[in-house]
Amino acid sequence: QSVLTQPPSASATPGQRVTISCSGSTSNIGSNTANWYQQYPGTAPKLLIYGNNQRPSGVPDRFSGSKSGTSASLAIRGLQSEDEADYYCASWDASLNGWVFGGGTKLTVL
Amino acid sequence: EVQLLESGGGLVQPGGSLRLSCATSGFTFDAYAMTWVRQAPGKGLECVSAISDGGRRPFYANSVKGRFTISRDKFKNTLFLQMNSLRVADTAVYYCVLVDAIPRWGQGTLVTVSS
Repeated sequence: QSVLTQPPSASATPGQRVTISCSGSTSNIGSNTANWYQQYPGTAPKLLIYGNNQRPSGVPDRFSGSKSGTSASLAIRGLQSEDEADYYCASWDASLNGWVFGGGTKLTVL
Repeated sequence: EVQLLESGGGLVQPGGSLRLSCATSGFTFDAYAMTWVRQAPGKGLECVSAISDGGRRPFYANSVKGRFTISRDKFKNTLFLQMNSLRVADTAVYYCVLVDAIPRWGQGTLVTVSS
């Protein structure tokens, strides 16, 4: 059982917009920033969004993040086939002094 | 450039021990908290242990508490994870992760616990 709650799956067709939600609590997302990772099979997770809504260099602006209270969201617009991957949300938990993660959302591009 | 390089993974029998290392460079090692995150085959991400910049207040996930010990050597800029009484369920890729506004990850080291 993951500390952060994400839907296990999402799907959309190329060109569409998809949103993935992440629900936490006051000790993690509510008091710290949310990060998002993209992961392809057999590879290390890649940081997609940090600080709720910041993109590392090289991440397309099709990807955006937001946070409200104890929840965060990842939005992908102009969906492409290469976006088919697993997506994880993460946040630092102040009561645990460790990272907490969502269970991951498998995005399928139909 | 921040670099994190894990080593020490391998195949071990249940009940055995391994010591993972994470050699770091490109940042002031003793100014940052560090963590170990693992991913079992086909599963999600789990933070198994974390250590503050000063080496105090370590965090351990319930799944490894009492069996794993995190430590750091500021002179060698290296993070360690001593893993004892290993179980089949500990089989995973173990990643070293820098705790910063922009978290940095190593490429991971595979630990396989099997008889």
